[in-house]
Amino acid sequence: EAGVAQSPRYKIIEKRQSVAFWCNPISGHATLYWYQQILGQGPKLLIQFQNNGVVDDSQLPKDRFSAERLKGVDSTLKIQPAKLEDSAVYLCASSLQGVGPRGSYEQYFGPGTRLTVT
Amino acid sequence: TQLLEQSPQFLSIQEGENLTVYCNSSSVFSSLQWYRQEPGEGPVLLVTVVTGGEVKKLKRLTFQFGDARKDSSLHITAAQPGDTGLYLCAGDSNAGGTSYGKLTFGQGTILTVHP
Repeated sequence: EAGVAQSPRYKIIEKRQSVAFWCNPISGHATLYWYQQILGQGPKLLIQFQNNGVVDDSQLPKDRFSAERLKGVDSTLKIQPAKLEDSAVYLCASSLQGVGPRGSYEQYFGPGTRLTVT
Repeated sequence: TQLLEQSPQFLSIQEGENLTVYCNSSSVFSSLQWYRQEPGEGPVLLVTVVTGGEVKKLKRLTFQFGDARKDSSLHITAAQPGDTGLYLCAGDSNAGGTSYGKLTFGQGTILTVHP
């Protein structure tokens, strides 16, 4: 079974530029997550999709971040314009279902995209 | 905002030693997961604990969920260099018996096991 794919793996941009990340979840997984992991911290959820609908985007800085999951499969996360504090690893994860008995699901993570904003 | 605090943040030990990592919160979690993350990779799930007081063993790793479901611990016996990595705890805060998959992560414990 192929895992969660992300690209690019690394990206260096200057502040105020824009950048986009792509994620291809495991086939058949209905739920897709984007996380931001700043060096020395645990991942922080940015947005959660169930199929192509947004379940939770309460921690997404909507003035500069946007995400979409067209057709309920692939997803893109965009930052425009980038700030220095956006330097982090952006992780995509997927799970078979987003709703179920507690403890019943497992999130599978991709390798992440390391973004450096200079 | 629910927080999970992990301790210690850094742990450097020799092969064969035992260690314990703690994950604490003032909030109740319906379930708690432990992940291991290696450099350049995403976190990989090790275990999920659901019931207060639950203990799960995975080879040399023992996971415990506190009776009140506010804390958890990971104990590694006879650590090996292959255990080196970032260990993360993550709690599912949704009340009741249903999970919506929203996790709150601790800041992680970086473990280095020297040969």
